[in-house]
Formats: sequence, C-alpha cells, structure tokens
Amino acid sequence: GQQLNQSPQSMFIQEGEDVSMNCTSSSIFNTWLWYKQDPGEGPVLLIALYKAGELTSNGRLTAQFGITRKDSFLNISASIPSDVGIYFCAGQPGGGSNYKLTFGKGTLLTVNP
Amino acid sequence: DADVTQTPRNRITKTGKRIMLECSQTKGHDRMYWYRQDPGLGLRLIYYSFDVKDINKGEISDGYSVSRQAQAKFSLSLESAIPNQTALYFCATSDPGGPGNIQYFGAGTRLSVL
Repeated sequence: GQQLNQSPQSMFIQEGEDVSMNCTSSSIFNTWLWYKQDPGEGPVLLIALYKAGELTSNGRLTAQFGITRKDSFLNISASIPSDVGIYFCAGQPGGGSNYKLTFGKGTLLTVNP
Repeated sequence: DADVTQTPRNRITKTGKRIMLECSQTKGHDRMYWYRQDPGLGLRLIYYSFDVKDINKGEISDGYSVSRQAQAKFSLSLESAIPNQTALYFCATSDPGGPGNIQYFGAGTRLSVL
C-alpha cells in the first residue's frame, strides 16, 4: 500500500526558532493535509493543499504541495510553547479513492521556553 | 460543543470482554471513519461508512465490527478484546462534497485491554 515518510520523527527547539518538517510518498496525491495533535486530543486540521506547487499560509504556518505531487513541507516560524504537539501529514488520492487518507507517522515537536 | 463526540474518553477492560466505542457528530456529514493510533505508527483505518447502508472494511478490520445506527452515529465494537487492541481510537467525519474531502476528528478514546 501507499506509504508516507515523515521526517524528522522528533524535534527539540528553543522558543523563537523556526521549524521545518516534510513528507515524501512513493505515490502521487491530489491533496495534502497537515494536522496537529495536542496531548489527549484528536488531530486538528492546520492546512489543506489542493494543487501541485501550491503554497499556503495559516498564521505562522506555511505549507507547500510539491511539484511532483509526491511530497509536502510544513514550516513553523517563530515557534512558541503552544506549538508543542505531534504534527501529521496526510495524503489523499483523487477520484473514487478520495475517502482514503494515508498518514505519516508524525513529528513530535517540543519547544523549550 | 464538539462537532465529533466520542464516548467514553477512557476505558479499561479485560481480555475477552465485548466493548463498544461510540461516536456521534453534528456536522451533518455522510461519511464516518474509525481509526486506531499506536505510538510510532500513525493512524490506521479500521472501518469507514459512506452512509447508513454502506459500510466498508479498512486496512485493519480484523477483530472489530461497526454499526451505523444513523447518519450521525457510528459505533465500533470489539467482540472479544485482546491486549494488542490497546490503543487510541479516533472517529472522523467528512463531507464528500467539500474540497478535498477533509476529515474531522473526535477527541479520541483511550482503550486499555488487560
């Protein structure tokens, strides 16, 4: 089946630093989604990307849909303590299989004040 | 109030017991999903339902069953719980008519099978 490689697995950074994480796939996706999961909660959608090359921002977060449609990147600028959590990428094929979400294994972000 | 509500939030049970996890949604979405999350493995799809009469197995359905009682309700059952079913379980919903068929998740049920 499809697999997503998400890296890094974990990051320990100081407050104020910028963060980058990425996902790569062996298959093409029509949609890329980035979710954040806080401790004890379910994943919450941060950014959705629908077109190859698309660059979308949500506050301090910026994500890009790779040109090859096999990768995506998430950047967080000027991190703050509440950015702590697990970040997941998810890819979605198009057409009749668009109900499927393939998830990366997550990036655990720790921000030291 | 949460759009996707899961009950219970935490459950401890014994091997061999039958248990049910419940999910209800107020988003009016036709599609509902059950996922399992294990440390280091991400989320894996157990079952999904496109409407009340359409239920499908996901990638890890063995040992689980589901019931779609209404558009707004989708329950997951473990007929005879075993320890390796200890995990976080998430329900999600989506609107196939929305952009990208984005899935929205509940807060999860933490299940421990002793």
